[in-house]
Amino acid sequence: QKEVEQDPGPLSVPEGAIVSLNCTYSNSAFQYFMWYRQYSRKGPELLMYTYSSGNKEDGRFTAQVDKSSKYISLFIRDSQPSDSATYLCAMSDGGATNKLIFGTGTLLAVQP
Amino acid sequence: DGGITQSPKYLFRKEGQNVTLSCEQNLNHDAMYWYRQDPGQGLRLIYYSQIVNDFQKGDIAEGYSVSREKKESFPLTVTSAQKNPTAFYLCASTDAGGYNYGYTFGSGTRLTVV
Repeated sequence: QKEVEQDPGPLSVPEGAIVSLNCTYSNSAFQYFMWYRQYSRKGPELLMYTYSSGNKEDGRFTAQVDKSSKYISLFIRDSQPSDSATYLCAMSDGGATNKLIFGTGTLLAVQP
Repeated sequence: DGGITQSPKYLFRKEGQNVTLSCEQNLNHDAMYWYRQDPGQGLRLIYYSQIVNDFQKGDIAEGYSVSREKKESFPLTVTSAQKNPTAFYLCASTDAGGYNYGYTFGSGTRLTVV
């Protein structure tokens, strides 16, 4: 079993829809959670960062962490064609391994 | 502007040839990482370095080598021992302990065996 599981998609939605992207994980030591956005043939860029459980909002994006269920989500409101990309979740345990663990990424297509 | 520069953007390798991918950062970051990305497999860690003149193997180090002679540079050599090198290679960096807050990635090098 992988430490981090993420549905690869593809996920296709109409413009203006609310998008929900999710990851599950198995390591209860994970404390720091991130979402990256990667456009085709580009490097990933950090989109959202959350520590421990709770919600964080930034414009149209909301990140949620539920440590009791080992489940994290990224919500995109009023989705735009420019949101079409691969979204990667990532997490770290805060010190034991000195590196991030990534999900496989979900490919999102927002249709105009 | 601070950032990570990967070069070249596209690289073609003949069978049996070694090639070196360049990664340079001007962010004054201590830690640097090399990942390989294949469709459907996400990011797989090849090597990482937390300090100059020191580096550790990642999950898929076989067929690859690295050096860290300068803080700002972390080149990756894909050797002839790597039997399936065609992939998208990403370099990343972060402050010491900064991995908790995410990496900064370069724009990647696409390597193709011809």
